[in-house]
Amino acid sequence: AQKVTQAQTEISVVEKEDVTLDCVYETRDTTYYLFWYKQPPSGELVFLIRRNSFDEQNEISGRYSWNFQKSTSSFNFTITASQVVDSAVYFCALTSGYSTLTFGKGTMLLVSP
Amino acid sequence: DADVTQTPRNRITKTGKRIMLECSQTKGHDRMYWYRQDPGLGLRLIYYSFDVKDINKGEISDGYSVSRQAQAKFSLSLESAIPNQTALYFCATSDAGLGSYNEQFFGPGTRLTVL
Repeated sequence: AQKVTQAQTEISVVEKEDVTLDCVYETRDTTYYLFWYKQPPSGELVFLIRRNSFDEQNEISGRYSWNFQKSTSSFNFTITASQVVDSAVYFCALTSGYSTLTFGKGTMLLVSP
Repeated sequence: DADVTQTPRNRITKTGKRIMLECSQTKGHDRMYWYRQDPGLGLRLIYYSFDVKDINKGEISDGYSVSRQAQAKFSLSLESAIPNQTALYFCATSDAGLGSYNEQFFGPGTRLTVL
């Protein structure tokens, strides 16, 4: 069975602070894919990144960066210099490619001015 | 035009009513999914279909049924709605091909309220 744990239910920061959202996963598959989605207050799900289990390189996209560590089964997401527009619920998700997508419960990020 | 559409976008109904949520996609994907989202619980899978002749129960299928009318259409029905089915419902699609990562593409969501 697959499982995704996002232990932080809610994080509050002040604008310009850096913030890291944690994601820990469990799977018996050797090939799997990890995703992060953003859900702003408007409700839609916005795809942020995907990563396969064979690619442990960290990735940076503007103010966003992701740290994938197979040794600790973690796929953490960092926002540098947070902005009010980053306020949203962020979901981490996992699939083996032949199974369905398993979501974490999400982390609500509140960025205040 | 959006690749995955859901109708209606918002719906208020009464306990005991039958309601259908519809999902259409233009991505040409074989796989389609229905999720519900409740605050603090993330997205939970209700039903999924890997092709037109395939229907599978997800984590929380009780009280729901689905119909895969065509590759592009996947409907979710609540035969007799109850208040704890009040939630945000998402439809999603994915490609089964190699290299697809099984990445899912989501519709905009349907906000359902059962009074």
